[in-house]
Amino acid sequence: AQSVSQHNHHVILSEAASLELGCNYSYGGTVNLFWYVQYPGQHLQLLLKYFSGDPLVKGIKGFEAEFIKSKFSFNLRKPSVQWSDTAEYFCAVNALDSWGKLQFGAGTQVVVTP
Amino acid sequence: EAQVTQNPRYLITVTGKKLTVTCSQNMNHEYMSWYRQDPGLGLRQIYYSMNVEVTDKGDVPEGYKVSRKEKRNFPLILESPSPNQTSLYFCASRAQRGGIYEQYFGPGTRLTVT
Repeated sequence: AQSVSQHNHHVILSEAASLELGCNYSYGGTVNLFWYVQYPGQHLQLLLKYFSGDPLVKGIKGFEAEFIKSKFSFNLRKPSVQWSDTAEYFCAVNALDSWGKLQFGAGTQVVVTP
Repeated sequence: EAQVTQNPRYLITVTGKKLTVTCSQNMNHEYMSWYRQDPGLGLRQIYYSMNVEVTDKGDVPEGYKVSRKEKRNFPLILESPSPNQTSLYFCASRAQRGGIYEQYFGPGTRLTVT
């Protein structure tokens, strides 16, 4: 069965610091990869997605992620965070033979201090 | 506007009192699913439906039922809710274009069972 692990459960950093959140998955076949963000009290929003092609994917709000197939990783990055980036971030993987089921990581709570 | 709607958004109920959370999508998607979100566990799939009258269990189906009588609707039923079903619930529908799957999430239903 596929699984998704996110390396950090909580991250605290200051405004303007760089952010990198790790995500690894365990599935050997073709996958679609996603990062979702959930701001306090709000629903899930799609940050970015990877289906194929360029492994460096750019999303909304200045986020990007890099797919490294050999490492089964899809790490999320942002060069300079803002206080408004305080949220919970979820990595999710969809194996193409699993009929659309998204397997989520446990989430990383990110707190950006002013 | 393409969207997934859920009702109610917030619900407090007592143990054993049957409840239904509705989910509706206006994108003519065939695949729909329900997830629950719990701290430290991310989102886990409860049930999914490939099409009308076709449903199957996800990872955590115990205590839940679903039905899919119409393509647009996919209600989640808790026949006898218990406190361990206190959670945040998300309905999702999936678009498929070729080998690419993308899920659209509803706004969430926060359920508290006392």
